[in-house]
Amino acid sequence: KQEVTQIPAALSVPEGENLVLNCSFTDSAIYNLQWFRQDPGKGLTSLLLIQSSQREQTSGRLNASLDKSSGRSTLYIAASQPGDSATYLCAVHGNQGGKLIFGQGTELSVKP
Amino acid sequence: EAQVTQNPRYLITVTGKKLTVTCSQNMNHEYMSWYRQDPGLGLRQIYYSMNVEVTDKGDVPEGYKVSRKEKRNFPLILESPSPNQTSLYFCASSLGQAQPQHFGDGTRLSIL
Repeated sequence: KQEVTQIPAALSVPEGENLVLNCSFTDSAIYNLQWFRQDPGKGLTSLLLIQSSQREQTSGRLNASLDKSSGRSTLYIAASQPGDSATYLCAVHGNQGGKLIFGQGTELSVKP
Repeated sequence: EAQVTQNPRYLITVTGKKLTVTCSQNMNHEYMSWYRQDPGLGLRQIYYSMNVEVTDKGDVPEGYKVSRKEKRNFPLILESPSPNQTSLYFCASSLGQAQPQHFGDGTRLSIL
């Protein structure tokens, strides 16, 4: 059964720092991997989606990488800002059908 | 505006009283899904639908029903709600399985 783990559970950094969030999954037979952002009391916003055949995706200050063989993905945030404060979740779509499995998230706080 | 709309946003009800949470999307998306979010357990998929009249179980389908009679709507039905179904519920949709998911703002259910 696919399991998705995110480390660390919480992270606090000063503004301007570059940071890396980690996501690992136990079954490498994935269809794609998505990174989401969730603000308190809100729904999720899709940030980046990496297909299983891709190694990375970039959007602005965000870069997500995928290493299927080792079961890992990282989300790199450059020059962090207080507005980046949120919970970041990764989710894996398995090869068999439409199931989506989420990690527990990393709560990020960027201090001014 | 492209959106996923859930109703109601908040509901307090009693054990055993049937309820339906509606979900509607205006993006002509084929894939729709329901999740529940609980502290310490994260987001877990309840049911998903790859297209009209096609639904399948996620990780926690017990106590829930869904239907997909039209492309835009995907209601979540609790036939006999119990207190352990108290949770924050999210509906999401995407063009297809390989596409980013759009989430609704959530429905907070309290079952007494």
